[in-house]
Amino acid sequence: DVKVTQSSRYLVKRTGEKVFLECVQDMDHENMFWYRQDPGLGLRLIYFSYDVKMKEKGDIPEGYSVSREKKERFSLILESASTNQTSMYLCASTPASGGLIQPQHFGDGTRLSIL
Amino acid sequence: KQEVTQIPAALSVPEGENLVLNCSFTDSAIYNLQWFRQDPGKGLTSLLLIQSSQREQTSGRLNASLDKSSGRSTLYIAASQPGDSATYLCARMDSSYKLIFGSGTRLLVRP
Repeated sequence: DVKVTQSSRYLVKRTGEKVFLECVQDMDHENMFWYRQDPGLGLRLIYFSYDVKMKEKGDIPEGYSVSREKKERFSLILESASTNQTSMYLCASTPASGGLIQPQHFGDGTRLSIL
Repeated sequence: KQEVTQIPAALSVPEGENLVLNCSFTDSAIYNLQWFRQDPGKGLTSLLLIQSSQREQTSGRLNASLDKSSGRSTLYIAASQPGDSATYLCARMDSSYKLIFGSGTRLLVRP
């Protein structure tokens, strides 16, 4: 079974802090994704990556950056956290080969609160 | 803009009832349609994936159908159980592996 692990289930940070959210997958998947989920807005794609060192902007990249130094790890960075970034953050992965016929596998999410 | 709509937003049914969740999308050029389940405070669990060339997929008491021409997918749950209570999300995938999600249907199955 694919395992996608997000380093923290709950995180509380202060406005202006630099925040790192980590995601690791154990199935050698090329594609990795970061979403945020908010009531009434659903899941929205922040950034995604097709391979190491590669990154693509999703629908709402403003205020975020990402890092993919190793294939198994995809980090989401909040450069200067703001209260409107309080949300549930979800990481997902899928293989490049067969990625159109295999589902995305999700981690359990990180609930981030910015005070 | 590509949109995915799920109706109803919430549903409450007695245990044992068969039910249908609806998903509609605006762009018929999809690569696949995925159904997920989300329990409160948790991530998403994949239930079924229907490729664009397929009409339906089945897993146990779940059956999902896809009609690209009308832009619709349905998730049928047979003989519902309290353990089926969760939020059900559908999502369409485009050629760049990006998923566009609906807002979900929150299901409560009453004992």
